Amino acid sequence: DTAVSQTPKYLVTQMGNDKSIKCEQNLGHDTMYWYKQDSKKFLKIMFSYNNKELIINETVPNRFSPKSPDKAHLNLHINSLELGDSAVYFCASGRQGDYGYTFGSGTRLTVV
Amino acid sequence: AQSVTQLGSHVSVSEGALVLLRCNYSSSVPPYLFWYVQYPNQGLQLLLKYTTGATLVKGINGFEAEFKKSETSFHLTKPSAHMSDAAEYFCAVIKVNSGYSTLTFGKGTMLLVSP
Repeated sequence: DTAVSQTPKYLVTQMGNDKSIKCEQNLGHDTMYWYKQDSKKFLKIMFSYNNKELIINETVPNRFSPKSPDKAHLNLHINSLELGDSAVYFCASGRQGDYGYTFGSGTRLTVV
Repeated sequence: AQSVTQLGSHVSVSEGALVLLRCNYSSSVPPYLFWYVQYPNQGLQLLLKYTTGATLVKGINGFEAEFKKSETSFHLTKPSAHMSDAAEYFCAVIKVNSGYSTLTFGKGTMLLVSP
């Protein structure tokens, strides 16, 4: 009964590969987010979806493509992985107008 | 545009001592402010939030924060530190963009607790 679940928790892959991270929330929230946490722990918003529609895209390279098949799911696909993509990626969900975001436990991506 | 600045990337205290983590905000509108905690290798957990109403906000694990408009601050405090409080703490503010809101985080403060 995890509220926001991400898979996988760890992902090690070679440069140039394509990988996906999945996120699901069972809180009935209408908005989902992807955040990137770099090696210095800085958290930066990447994307936001509201009711399956992309509402925020924060100057992320187009190698990153989010997809939201329904309100409860937001996946992140990354093409042609680069060393600089190594980070922890967090999924979160919330409701517009109610600002208590719930975060997943993160996916640690390591590109070698 | 809304933003937050956390003063001090690391704060060290002894067990039982007062914890004070500083956060200042910049906002042209009344801000919605948050503190999150991240334990090692875990996700972020909401400690407390200020939206409207009482300026002293109590959160989980004995933490509280006070919204001070005159000082544009939202510092996090706890009267007595426990070893289990050692973690990374993030102050955050709601940023509104084209009618939609997102959380914008400070750079974080690592709290170290020594016996």
